[in-house]
Parts: sequence; C-alpha cells; structure tokens
Amino acid sequence: AQRVTQPEKLLSVFKGAPVELKCNYSYSGSPELFWYVQYSRQRLQLLLRHISRESIKGFTADLNKGETSFHLKKPFAQEEDSAMYYCALKGGSNSGYALNFGKGTSLLVTP
Amino acid sequence: NAGVTQTPKFQVLKTGQSMTLQCAQDMNHNSMYWYRQDPGMGLRLIYYSASEGTTDKGEVPNGYNVSRLNKREFSLRLESAAPSQTSVYFCASSETGNPNYGYTFGSGTRLTVV
Repeated sequence: AQRVTQPEKLLSVFKGAPVELKCNYSYSGSPELFWYVQYSRQRLQLLLRHISRESIKGFTADLNKGETSFHLKKPFAQEEDSAMYYCALKGGSNSGYALNFGKGTSLLVTP
Repeated sequence: NAGVTQTPKFQVLKTGQSMTLQCAQDMNHNSMYWYRQDPGMGLRLIYYSASEGTTDKGEVPNGYNVSRLNKREFSLRLESAAPSQTSVYFCASSETGNPNYGYTFGSGTRLTVV
C-alpha cells in the first residue's frame, strides 16, 4: 500500500537557521513525489516536484530511493516561510492518479 | 485565468440538511478530485473523476455523492449532513496525460455542521 509519513506535526526554527521537513514514503512502483505549501487559510500551492529537480523559494528536495525519503530543505529560513507543508505521492491508475498526502508539518519561523 | 473555482467559500448547515459544493476548472483538465482537510489528518480523498463521465470512490466516500456534469464541473453533494462532516473541502484538477502535470487546487469551502 502507498503511504506518506511526515513525522513532525510542528517544526519551529529561528530566522536564518536551516530547516528540514521530513517525508518518508512507501510505494511499490517508481514514486512521483511533490511538496505542497499552504499559507494561512489559503489554497494549496505546488512547491516542488521531484521530477523537475528545481529550487523554488530557496527550497530543494531530493528523492532518496534507498531511504524512501523526500525531505524538504532550505539553508536559511525566512519568516514568510511559516506555513503548512504537505508531502504528496502520486497514486496509480486505480485511484485516478490522485495525490496521497501526508498529514502535514506546520513550520513556524520566529525572528 | 481563474484556474479552479469553488463555491461557496463558507457554509453552515444544520444536522440533516443537504447541500452541494460546486467546483469548476477552466484548464481543460481531464481529472478532478474532492478532498477534505481536517486538523492532524492532512488531506483525504473523497471522490475522484478520472475523465468526463466517470467517478470513483476515494478513501473517505461515506456520506457523499458526486457528479461530473461535464469536463469543467465536478460537484460534491452531502445528502444528510452530519457534524463529522465539518471540514474544509478542496477541489483539484490535473492533466494526468502530461508527465509534468501538477494539481491545481481551489480556494476551499469551509463547512460547519451544527
């Protein structure tokens, strides 16, 4: 069965400190993983997708198939990074390729 | 460029009342989805529609029905609302045939059942 685990409900860091939001997955095939961000009471926005290997707003994420992880990292956190972050795994055809989300990590960046 | 539009944004229902949440997308996407978001639970899939004319159950379909009216519109109906259905509901769409596809989400409907 496919599953996404985000072990931290809340992560609090100081401005300028490095941040890492953890995501682990279980999937029998070749995974397609995403990070979504949700600012306070707004819609979810795509932050990163592993196939594009891009860096958005200073965030990066590397797929580690050996550790089945897709951790989100940023070297220097900013106050505007405070938000809810969701890791998501694309499902198979039996779920219409729906995204399967982790429970989310709330990131709080304090001055 | 509207993307995914959901109505209403807020709704309060009494237990047993019915209502329909509307969702429309203007990106010509084949697939549409309904999720509910609850604190500590993340987003859970209620129903999805892989293409016009088809609908299927997701992880938490009980108490809901859906209609894929056409390619643009995918509605979610609560026939007899219960307090357990108090949640934020998000509609999303995607073009699954595109290897670089992403999902586009609506702004959500905040539903309270009293």
